[in-house]
Amino acid sequence: GNSVTQMEGPVTLSEEAFLTINCTYTATGYPSLFWYVQYPGEGLQLLLKATKADDKGSNKGFEATYRKETTSFHLEKGSVQVSDSAVYFCALILSGGYNKLIFGAGTRLAVHP
Amino acid sequence: DGGITQSPKYLFRKEGQNVTLSCEQNLNHDAMYWYRQDPGQGLRLIYYSQIVNDFQKGDIAEGYSVSREKKESFPLTVTSAQKNPTAFYLCASSIKPDYNEQFFGPGTRLTVL
Repeated sequence: GNSVTQMEGPVTLSEEAFLTINCTYTATGYPSLFWYVQYPGEGLQLLLKATKADDKGSNKGFEATYRKETTSFHLEKGSVQVSDSAVYFCALILSGGYNKLIFGAGTRLAVHP
Repeated sequence: DGGITQSPKYLFRKEGQNVTLSCEQNLNHDAMYWYRQDPGQGLRLIYYSQIVNDFQKGDIAEGYSVSREKKESFPLTVTSAQKNPTAFYLCASSIKPDYNEQFFGPGTRLTVL
């Protein structure tokens, strides 16, 4: 079946450290891939997306590249800030039909000053 | 300001009672969705609606019901048949059913006492 696997958290970093959160997927067909961020007590916000192989999504210093050969969409940021502390969700949507988002379990990031 | 509103933010209910969660959007989106989030897990789809007066079951519809009488509104009722209703509930919408970006509301945290 279709699924998303993320690295387990929590990920704890010092401010200005480099961030990688791994995400791999299993899907039939050609999915679009997303990273959403959830701050404490809030809903989800779309962070970035990529709709086809080799696309790079980027926003607020975060980047992720759609790698079809490794079925991956790892999230990276060169220098994290305390304000980046949140839960990050990787997700996919399959093309065609209705928009069913399939989510990973989420990875909690804690950034310390 | 365009967006999705959910109310209330926190909701408490006694076991055996039905409760209705509100979701309203002023984005003029056709499609709306309800997700459930449990601690340490990704989101799971409860129900979705592609157009007014139409809705379909998602992956975990048992014990829930919805209606879509107006384009801007998609209320979710958690019935007494839902065995484990304590969770964070998120509503989302997208422009069209086959558009691959969903926008999320702030969520409602339901606690059954």
